[in-house]
Amino acid sequence: GNSVTQMEGPVTLSEEAFLTINCTYTATGYPSLFWYVQYPGEGLQLLLKATKADDKGSNKGFEATYRKETTSFHLEKGSVQVSDSAVYFCALQAGTQGGSEKLVFGKGTKLTVNP
Amino acid sequence: NAGVTQTPKFQVLKTGQSMTLQCAQDMNHEYMSWYRQDPGMGLRLIHYSVGAGITDQGEVPNGYNVSRSTTEDFPLRLLSAAPSQTSVYFCASSYGLAGNEQFFGPGTRLTVL
Repeated sequence: GNSVTQMEGPVTLSEEAFLTINCTYTATGYPSLFWYVQYPGEGLQLLLKATKADDKGSNKGFEATYRKETTSFHLEKGSVQVSDSAVYFCALQAGTQGGSEKLVFGKGTKLTVNP
Repeated sequence: NAGVTQTPKFQVLKTGQSMTLQCAQDMNHEYMSWYRQDPGMGLRLIHYSVGAGITDQGEVPNGYNVSRSTTEDFPLRLLSAAPSQTSVYFCASSYGLAGNEQFFGPGTRLTVL
């Protein structure tokens, strides 16, 4: 079945450090890939997405490239800020019929950025 | 636009009680879904709907019922609450078709004693 594996947290970084959160997936066909972010006490919101191989999603300084050959969608940011502290979820959509909107999530990675 | 709204924000139930978690969206989205979030488990899909009158089961449907009588509303019913249903519940909606962003509500934190 479809699944997402992302690196276990928590991750603690100092401000301006480089961030990588690894995400790999298993899916049939050609899934769409997403990173969602959850700030404390809130629901999830879309951070970025990529819908086909070699696409790069980017937003707020974060980037992720859809690598079909390695089935990966790693999240990166060159210089994190305290305001980036949140839980990050990698997710995929892999359906081809009704219900193709269903998301399969990784377990989440909690990031804490210290000043 | 209010986006996706959920009520209540917090709820405490006793084992065996029933209740309905409300979810509404004002974006005319066809697709709506319910997830539960548990520590170390990510989000797991409970039920989803691709349009009014159409619902289907997700990964963890047992103990939950849904209906979709209008485009806007997608309530989640717990018929006989169990401690294992203690969780944070999120409703989400999107336009149909894969690749579209899903918009999430703020969540309902449910505790079953």
